[in-house]
Amino acid sequence: EAQVTQNPRYLITVTGKKLTVTCSQNMNHEYMSWYRQDPGLGLRQIYYSMNVEVTDKGDVPEGYKVSRKEKRNFPLILESPSPNQTSLYFCASSRGLVKGYEQYFGPGTRLTVT
Amino acid sequence: KNQVEQSPQSLIILEGKNCTLQCNYTVSPFSNLRWYKQDTGRGPVSLTIMTFSENTKSNGRYTATLDADTKQSSLHITASQLSDSASYICVVSYNNNDMRFGAGTRLTVKP
Repeated sequence: EAQVTQNPRYLITVTGKKLTVTCSQNMNHEYMSWYRQDPGLGLRQIYYSMNVEVTDKGDVPEGYKVSRKEKRNFPLILESPSPNQTSLYFCASSRGLVKGYEQYFGPGTRLTVT
Repeated sequence: KNQVEQSPQSLIILEGKNCTLQCNYTVSPFSNLRWYKQDTGRGPVSLTIMTFSENTKSNGRYTATLDADTKQSSLHITASQLSDSASYICVVSYNNNDMRFGAGTRLTVKP
């Protein structure tokens, strides 16, 4: 089954404790992206990757890191989480954006930083 | 400034009724426009994707329209069902690799 998976689905952590949210897709997509969703603000892009070893900042990259060492995986790293990073996070993948290829989203990771 | 505005913010309708959601955008140069349905706590799921040359696209009871001249799109839902209760998000791609998301319209369908 074609899908995007994220782990963990729920995470409660404390300020400053490094964490990684994994994202994996099995569709051989070149484009992958991370978003955060906050009430009233909609989805905002954190980072995206056009292909292996190619990453770029989205609209809200501060406090986040990503890597793309393999085509299927695109982990999101919070080196020193803060309470303002409490949010619902989505990973997504696509063959590309320009030609209208569909973007597939993962199930989401709800992160709480205390 | 590249923006996507959706209206209304929220909408309550009775089961079986039709409704129309609006999306206005200012992004340029336009690549394509997508409508997503997002159930509470879950990832968005694509309903339609429209490019510059497409005026209308349907997916079952969902029909999206696009007016590239006025930079407006609408999503019309026919004969609503309880399962249509969700947030509907308009997303516009531009500049080849950039995207802008609308804040969404929260639709509630009541029996």
